[in-house]
Amino acid sequence: AQRVTQPEKLLSVFKGAPVELKCNYSYSGSPELFWYVQYSRQRLQLLLRHISRESIKGFTADLNKGETSFHLKKPFAQEEDSAMYYCALRGSEKLVFGKGTKLTVNP
Amino acid sequence: GAVVSQHPSRVICKSGTSVKIECRSLDFQATTMFWYRQFPKQSLMLMATSNEGSKATYEQGVEKDKFLINHASLTLSTLTVTSAHPEDSSFYICSARADATYEQYFGPGTRLTVT
Repeated sequence: AQRVTQPEKLLSVFKGAPVELKCNYSYSGSPELFWYVQYSRQRLQLLLRHISRESIKGFTADLNKGETSFHLKKPFAQEEDSAMYYCALRGSEKLVFGKGTKLTVNP
Repeated sequence: GAVVSQHPSRVICKSGTSVKIECRSLDFQATTMFWYRQFPKQSLMLMATSNEGSKATYEQGVEKDKFLINHASLTLSTLTVTSAHPEDSSFYICSARADATYEQYFGPGTRLTVT
């Protein structure tokens, strides 16, 4: 079974502070991990995926197979980063989402 | 970039009626599309996987006779909520997986309210 856990429902930081959104997964095979972001009143969009190992909008995420984690990090949060963030796992064919973390970056 | 549209964006219907939601991939082909349901302040719950030309695969607990899915072409999937009840009120989101890249793109969602 595929399972994604995001332990924090809400996360609030000040502008310029580092931010880490936690994601743990459970899957018996080799998963693909993703982070999706949903800004207020907008559709869900892909932020980054573990395969490409890229940094988007200053965010990075490293897949740690030993800890089965894929935490999202940004060294200096900006107000425009305020949004809902969903960690997702694709095992076989379907994409399964965590419950999401609402990030608020305060001025 | 790849765009997925949904129609209608919001619909209100009476209990007992049926409502159809369309999902289109505008500039790419998608053999596979997915339908999700999102409750207020909660995550997306996968309802079913829709494959062009074949029967949809439903997730456990999703009634296939209530949520009819048709994927008649490589750019269109429809979800019909039959005999709607107030508890079917929700935000329904479709996603299309591009055949060329395997990347999944999401529609803007459809807000269904059953009165």
